[in-house]
Amino acid sequence: KAGVTQTPRYLIKTRGQQVTLSCSPISGHRSVSWYQQTPGQGLQFLFEYFSETQRNKGNFPGRFSGRQFSNSRSEMNVSTLELGDSALYLCASSSTPGQGTSGTYQETQYFGPGTRLLVL
Amino acid sequence: AQKITQTQPGMFVQEKEAVTLDCTYDTSDQSYGLFWYKQPSSGEMIFLIYQGSYDEQNATEGRYSLNFQKARKSANLVISASQLGDSAMYFCAMRAGYSTLTFGKGTMLLVSP
Repeated sequence: KAGVTQTPRYLIKTRGQQVTLSCSPISGHRSVSWYQQTPGQGLQFLFEYFSETQRNKGNFPGRFSGRQFSNSRSEMNVSTLELGDSALYLCASSSTPGQGTSGTYQETQYFGPGTRLLVL
Repeated sequence: AQKITQTQPGMFVQEKEAVTLDCTYDTSDQSYGLFWYKQPSSGEMIFLIYQGSYDEQNATEGRYSLNFQKARKSANLVISASQLGDSAMYFCAMRAGYSTLTFGKGTMLLVSP
């Protein structure tokens, strides 16, 4: 089974531009989460989507947005890029969000290779 | 809210030796899951092992085992017979209910020949 794929892998943009990152989850997975990783802040949660609905949102400005399509693929968009947006953006998929139907276990999130964004 | 603490910024180990990476967590939830991920320099986050809060046995996956001590709220990762390819950043994470996955700051493991 193919893993999580993210495109593009590397991206260089200038301040003020906007960028769209794409994530294709593992086949059959309907939940997609996005994370930002920087040396200073570590791993920070951006948003989570399930069945085209945003379930959770992290503490990021409105310049960060996302969506999920009917085939579970997800995109995130960052508008008006700032230097501080330079980061590794990781996408993760799981079959369902959070706990399993019995409530006694948590679904594992599987990550893609990430998109490295550099803002100049 | 959940919190993960990894107190070891870096660890050194010689090839073929065992190493323990520490992780403590804090949550008020009774049902939760603990995860360990490995992140090589390439950046991809690789899932290693999972432990559920209701699991009575410690989880094991090949050379990886999780030393789960619920009363102490610790979930240490044990890597047996370290290999050069184990050199990477290791993250402990947890999730409860339908909350988001919370990560620790990570431990950099360096395996020397």
